[in-house]
Amino acid sequence: RKEVEQDPGPFNVPEGATVAFNCTYSNSASQSFFWYRQDCRKEPKLLMSVYSSGNEDGRFTAQLNRASQYISLLIRDSKLSDSATYLCVVILNTGGFKTIFGAGTRLFVKA
Amino acid sequence: DAGVIQSPRHEVTEMGQEVTLRCKPISGHDYLFWYRQTMMRGLELLIYFNNNVPIDDSGMPEDRFSAKMPNASFSTLKIQPSEPRDSAVYFCASSSLTPGHSYYGYTFGSGTRLTVV
Repeated sequence: RKEVEQDPGPFNVPEGATVAFNCTYSNSASQSFFWYRQDCRKEPKLLMSVYSSGNEDGRFTAQLNRASQYISLLIRDSKLSDSATYLCVVILNTGGFKTIFGAGTRLFVKA
Repeated sequence: DAGVIQSPRHEVTEMGQEVTLRCKPISGHDYLFWYRQTMMRGLELLIYFNNNVPIDDSGMPEDRFSAKMPNASFSTLKIQPSEPRDSAVYFCASSSLTPGHSYYGYTFGSGTRLTVV
């Protein structure tokens, strides 16, 4: 079993749709959680951190459920420019810091 | 801040040649990471440094790969000799910890696209 697993993609949605990504992690030592966005042939960029209380940034909402060991990302009113790969990232505090990237979920938003 | 700067952006080399990738982290960041990304394997951590000291190099594929960080503003990843299976995008990233020791998240460089023929 992979340490971080994401929804298989790609997701194809129309503009204005709401889309949700889920990610599960297996190691209870996981300390920090993030969502990154990666455009085609570009570097990953931090989209948002994920906190236990949940956090929102405009059309984006991230949630963390430690008991069930999953995080989610919700995109409301999706735009064409949201088309990208979304990477779930988990950081373990195991003495040092071990960062694990999910394989990513590709999103296509169509007009 | 100019962000994390990597060079070269593209590198095409013949099998057996030495390849050196370079990275300048964001000033003040005390963690530096080297990643490799391929379609098949996704993003893989190769090695990371804290305050210029290598902390975990368990992701380095084999002895052909080596990384150094001689000072806080410069790191290199070297492949010698290079092989076609080393073809990938190599990213450098830097980060720092908050005073409460939470993790800020990474800033990645634009990457070096390496092709070994």
